Amino acid sequence: EVQVEQSGAEVKKPGESLKISCKGSGYTFTNYWIGWVRQVPGRGLEYMGIINPGDSDTRYSPSFQGQVTISVDKSISTAYLQWSSLKASDTAMYYCARILVATVMDVWGQGTTVTVSS
Amino acid sequence: QSVLTQPPSASGTPGQRVTMSCSGGSSNIGANTVNWYQHLTGTAPKLLIYTNNQRPSGVPDRFSGSKSGTSASLAISGLQSEDEADYYCAAWDDSLNSVVFGGGTKLTVL
Repeated sequence: EVQVEQSGAEVKKPGESLKISCKGSGYTFTNYWIGWVRQVPGRGLEYMGIINPGDSDTRYSPSFQGQVTISVDKSISTAYLQWSSLKASDTAMYYCARILVATVMDVWGQGTTVTVSS
Repeated sequence: QSVLTQPPSASGTPGQRVTMSCSGGSSNIGANTVNWYQHLTGTAPKLLIYTNNQRPSGVPDRFSGSKSGTSASLAISGLQSEDEADYYCAAWDDSLNSVVFGGGTKLTVL
């Protein structure tokens, strides 16, 4: 079964760093891009960026460029989303998804809740 | 303010047919294909329609999508209580060089 499984919920303080993960299984991980999507409480879905696990080619949405870093370790079929200095406004649910083709996100992770509070 | 515009809410009774719209512009819907996602509270979003009108395997044919010009729409026929969810449209935007989502339509089954 094709799956992407995300790491568990995180509670952090402003200024702290964080790296959350997304592990693909049931398919050839390097054949499909992985995308990240944010959902702030009470708001809609926002596209953050994508990464090609095969060559680490990464593309960011203009809204998130410079705010987060997307990376991958293809040896363990895992993509990452990281922050160097969290802000309260980063509090949200973060989803990763496999990209079937072009912009089509066909398999989604269960989401990782990130809470940033002092 | 989302780049793609969706009505915030829609409703229908079981068995009814409902449609929801997604309005964009020449740089997104007008130039690229549209995908639709269903998001039930507390679960992962689910791909419902891709490339304007294609259904992934496992998605009932009660769900259909269409696109005309700079607008797209999602139709659900034979409405069921389990269809109560948020529905999002999405497309690539050539100007922003990014995927853009609509703000979502919350469907209530009365």
